[in-house]
Amino acid sequence: SQQGEEDPQALSIQEGENATMNCSYKTSINNLQWYRQNSGRGLVHLILIRSNEREKHSGRLRVTLDTSKKSSSLLITASRAADTASYFCATVSMEYGNKLVFGAGTILRVKS
Amino acid sequence: EPEVTQTPSHQVTQMGQEVILRCVPISNHLYFYWYRQILGQKVEFLVSFYNNEISEKSEIFDDQFSVERPDGSNFTLKIRSTKLEDSAMYFCASSPRQALVEQYFGPGTRLTVT
Repeated sequence: SQQGEEDPQALSIQEGENATMNCSYKTSINNLQWYRQNSGRGLVHLILIRSNEREKHSGRLRVTLDTSKKSSSLLITASRAADTASYFCATVSMEYGNKLVFGAGTILRVKS
Repeated sequence: EPEVTQTPSHQVTQMGQEVILRCVPISNHLYFYWYRQILGQKVEFLVSFYNNEISEKSEIFDDQFSVERPDGSNFTLKIRSTKLEDSAMYFCASSPRQALVEQYFGPGTRLTVT
């Protein structure tokens, strides 16, 4: 299997706090992407980080990638109730074609 | 902003029936995908499609499944004889290039097989 685990499986925080989600994978990758899914809805792309990048920012999102540890983290700063969703990491590896291989996801609940 | 659309949003069918799920990818995209998500489980890759042929498929994508791009805009997934375990959310996605880019997902079709 190309994908590992995400942790935590579920996270509940207060509005204004930061949320950190982690993702691990097993094979070499070309890039790693994070997606958000609101309950029962489609997947929304958040951010892509290439294998030669270590950190990337987009608004309140910060993603890090450690290829030596085969892990990534997604930090959402100053969380809002609207950030409540499931968050998935997905890897792309040339070894496995161009398909996205998803992790199990983290369910984030932001309480107002 | 262009988006991927999917129809229907919800399809209920009886076991053994054929279903066709429809997708309209973003117009200038060249790569098309189907994924599925069984309730409470991971999103799983089914098939990728480029230049009017399948470029990759997973072990889930057996002979009961087929994909087609019948015209310049639609991309369809057909399940020939549905099983109970085909009940899932099916997502279509498209991307402009093959590697190092994000995929754009549609809102999904919830397929319920009874």
